[in-house]
Amino acid sequence: GQQLNQSPQSMFIQEGEDVSMNCTSSSIFNTWLWYKQDPGEGPVLLIALYKAGELTSNGRLTAQFGITRKDSFLNISASIPSDVGIYFCAGLGDDMRFGAGTRLTVKP
Amino acid sequence: DVKVTQSSRYLVKRTGEKVFLECVQDMDHENMFWYRQDPGLGLRLIYFSYDVKMKEKGDIPEGYSVSREKKERFSLILESASTNQTSMYLCASSPGLTFGEQYFGPGTRLTVT
Repeated sequence: GQQLNQSPQSMFIQEGEDVSMNCTSSSIFNTWLWYKQDPGEGPVLLIALYKAGELTSNGRLTAQFGITRKDSFLNISASIPSDVGIYFCAGLGDDMRFGAGTRLTVKP
Repeated sequence: DVKVTQSSRYLVKRTGEKVFLECVQDMDHENMFWYRQDPGLGLRLIYFSYDVKMKEKGDIPEGYSVSREKKERFSLILESASTNQTSMYLCASSPGLTFGEQYFGPGTRLTVT
């Protein structure tokens, strides 16, 4: 099946900077999920979005469910070293599709 | 907190061996999933189960089988391991709707030599 288009593939930022990543699809989804995966660990659910246009925050993380239902973005504000990891999106419709992930590196 | 555990974090097997990967969840979730994760390819669904003894093929079921005899346990079986099955294997579970919010285990990194 077609996976989601996630960008960027990787980011190298300075501590304190803001980060933005997004996922797009040709298909419509009913739910968008954002996960973080630390090296050698399983993904952990960060944010779940259930309605088109919804904007949801979890601490320094903010995610939005696109109006078209075909995209979503995740912002991280004031990054810190422990934000390092791989972030990936998942779209939930008739099945579940995943983005390939954005690898984030934060330089102290 | 939902807890999904996997029997091994790291596993090394030889080509042709039969391999069992076990997954247990403690939140009484109806649905369980097995994925493999490879660099640049993201997560790909191998099999899932929405009830005891029920199973459905995912996107890449070839070379794999599964077993769900109890609600909390979902096993992935590689009948005859091959080198192209070297990967990170992730188990997940979700409540309610089949493809709902999924909670993942820590993963098993399998190397087939």
